[in-house]
Parts: sequence; C-alpha cells; structure tokens
Amino acid sequence: DAGVIQSPRHEVTEMGQEVTLRCKPISGHDYLFWYRQTMMRGLELLIYFNNNVPIDDSGMPEDRFSAKMPNASFSTLKIQPSEPRDSAVYFCASSPAGGLADTQYFGPGTRLTVL
Amino acid sequence: QKEVEQNSGPLSVPEGAIASLNCTYSDRGSQSFFWYRQYSGKSPELIMSIYSNGDKEDGRFTAQLNKASQYVSLLIRDSQPSDSATYLCAVNVPEGNNAGNMLTFGGGTRLMVKP
Repeated sequence: DAGVIQSPRHEVTEMGQEVTLRCKPISGHDYLFWYRQTMMRGLELLIYFNNNVPIDDSGMPEDRFSAKMPNASFSTLKIQPSEPRDSAVYFCASSPAGGLADTQYFGPGTRLTVL
Repeated sequence: QKEVEQNSGPLSVPEGAIASLNCTYSDRGSQSFFWYRQYSGKSPELIMSIYSNGDKEDGRFTAQLNKASQYVSLLIRDSQPSDSATYLCAVNVPEGNNAGNMLTFGGGTRLMVKP
C-alpha cells in the first residue's frame, strides 16, 4: 500500500510568492496532520483534520498560512505571501482511528526554501 | 503549556553497547507515549508505543514508562551503526472533544553508534 504522499518534495521560491503544499493521506485514515520542522523549533503541529474537518489550528503561525481538506484523499497547506522564516520541512501525517492517539504515519516531507 | 523535554545530544555509544534515551513530560494527564526514529533527511518513523507503567520490549528496543515521575525512556540493546539517528519522544494528552490524536514532540536526541 502507498504511504502518505506529499508534493512537491522540494520547493524553492522567492519572498512574497504563494506556496502550495499537497498531501494525500493513507486511504481509510480519518485524521490528517500538518507539521513543520526546523532546527530551532523542532517538530511543530500546525493543524489537524478529522474526517476532512479542521479540529485544531492553534499551531498555524499566522494568517499567511491556511489549510484545506476538500475530500478524504487530499489536503493543501498554503502560504501567502511566503517569507524567508517559513523555510522548513513540512510533513503531512495521517492516522487511522480516533480514541486514544494511534500511530501517525508521516509522509516524506516537503523541503521549502524561501529566498 | 505541554512540554516534552529531551537531551539533544549527541549521545555517542560504541557498537554493541546499550543506548539509553530519556524523555520527560510536564502534563500529568498524558496517556500515550511514543518513540519515533528519524534518519537525517527522512521523515519520522514510529518504533515504539507505550501506554501503561512498566517496560515494553520489542526486539532490541525496550520502552520504559514511569507516570509518577513523568518520564519515558527508550533502551536500545546491542546498538548498531544503523541505529544512528535522531529519536523523538511524543506524548498525547486527550482534552475535551479532542479524541486524543494530537501529539506533542520533544526536540529529539541524536544518537551516534560508533563501529
């Protein structure tokens, strides 16, 4: 079975440009998570969805960031306008069940560089 | 604020030795505990989960949980150079309507196993 799929794997853009990151969770998983990882701040949860509905977006750093999940098999994380401090690796993860936390399966990540 | 603390390392051990990785957490309501391994440039991969006090063994890995002292540890027996990676501790605290799938990650401990 395919794991979590993310695209693009690498993105280099200039400050002020719009960036869209994409994620396809594992089929049948109810939960989808967006994380950001930097050397300084480690792995941070940005937002997560349950059955396509955003549940907690308290980790979204500011209004420049937005995330959507139009259906069970696709989610986007958008940064507009992008800034150099947004440079990081962005991971998408999915998990199959509610209740107590279950295994989160991570995608390969998107390495974003904002010049 | 929920916090998960780890020594950043690097922790250097010789091949064949036991590597001991430690993690402390601040929220006494934490119920689920996870260890993820992350190779350089790769995504986190779950290696152990533990939910109750005591030890849980899986091959060369043993997770230990002490809720009274609020720490969780990971022992790696017969360490191999291929175990060299960053190990992330993650903790879940169910809150209200949150079904419990949110995880808070520590900063990770970098392990180096020398041949």
